Formats: sequence, structure tokens, C-alpha cells
Amino acid sequence: SQTIHQWPATLVQPVGSPLSLECTVEGTSNPNLYWYRQAAGRGLQLLFYSVGIGQISSEVPQNLSASRPQDRQFILSSKKLLLSDSGFYLCAWSPPSLGEQYFGPGTRLTVT
Amino acid sequence: AQTVTQSQPEMSVQEAETVTLSCTYDTSENNYYLFWYKQPPSRQMILVIRQEAYKQQNATENRFSVNFQKAAKSFSLKISDSQLGDTAMYFCAFFLYNQGGKLIFGQGTELSVKP
Repeated sequence: SQTIHQWPATLVQPVGSPLSLECTVEGTSNPNLYWYRQAAGRGLQLLFYSVGIGQISSEVPQNLSASRPQDRQFILSSKKLLLSDSGFYLCAWSPPSLGEQYFGPGTRLTVT
Repeated sequence: AQTVTQSQPEMSVQEAETVTLSCTYDTSENNYYLFWYKQPPSRQMILVIRQEAYKQQNATENRFSVNFQKAAKSFSLKISDSQLGDTAMYFCAFFLYNQGGKLIFGQGTELSVKP
């Protein structure tokens, strides 16, 4: 069966520090991968999605970037965090030909 | 552009009762998927049910069922025999094949099941 992992689960970082959140998927190949941000427990904002290694689409221009160095690995990064980057970050995967997405447990990021 | 609207920010229901959450969407396309996701206090997003637009039969998963009205662009979720563990935020989501696999989410309905 497929599983999706995210780490860390919780992160507190000062403004201006770098960020790296990692997401990995097991039990499938060539998944579509997604990064979402959820603020204040409402509404998911799609940040990035990827349909293959090295292929990244950005939905919202901002302080963040994403990379997909391996088929089942998706990384969310920032060179310098802003206070507004605080939130709950969710990674998700989907089969290439189907619509449903399966989510990881999320990372709660607090920028101080 | 496609949009998804959940007009009920909060709802409550007594344990063992039935509750219906509303969702409407806007699209000019004919082939798409609709989903309901549940997000309990742990914040893990869990897929509850899916509906393919080309299927006329409403999807059912145990105590969860949908009322899919394609012409009206309505996709409501009915929870029967509500349980305390159903307390969560519920999100309606829309998927269109030619949008690169992106899901469009509604703003959510916070459901409280009361003992």
C-alpha cells in the first residue's frame, strides 16, 4: 500500500532563516506531487505541483520554492523565511491518471 | 475559472442524527471528479468519498453518501448516524483533468457532533 511521509511535524524558525520541508511517498511510482499551505484551519492554497522529476509548476509567486530531485521526493524550501510563511503545510500525492489526492500528516511551521 | 463554494461555515448535529453538508461548484466542463475530504483536529486530510461526473449513481461509503445534481452543479454530503469521531472540518473539492491534476477546494464546513 502507498504511504506518504512528511517531516518535520513541527518547526519553529526565526525570520530570515532558511527552510526545508521534505515529503516522500512509498509504494507507488511516478506520482503527481503537491504542496499546499493552510492558514487558520481553513482553505487549502496550492503552492506547487509536480508531474515528474524536475518538473515544478508554481501556483502562487512568493518566498518559497520546490524541487523534486527523485521520483517520490518533494521538497519545499525558502532562503529567508517571512512571518507570513507561518502555517500548516501539507504534501499530497495522486496517481498520474486519477483525481483523488492523498495527504501527508502535515508540518506546522511557526516563524518568529 | 472553476470555483467551489461551501455556504455553511459551521454546523452541528446530535450524535446518531443525520446531517447534510452543502457544496456547489461552477464549471463549463463535462468531465470531472468531485470529492469530500475530512480534516479532524489532528489536521490529517482524509478522503471520504469521490464522485465521477459521468456517473449518474450517487456514491456511497458506509455512513457517507452524496447527492450529486450535475445540472444544478450541486454536490452535498450526507452523514448518517453521526458519531463523535465525525467532528471535523469537511472540504468539498473539484478536479478537472485538463488542469494539470489540480484540486480546487471549497473553504470548508466545520462540523461538530454533540453527545
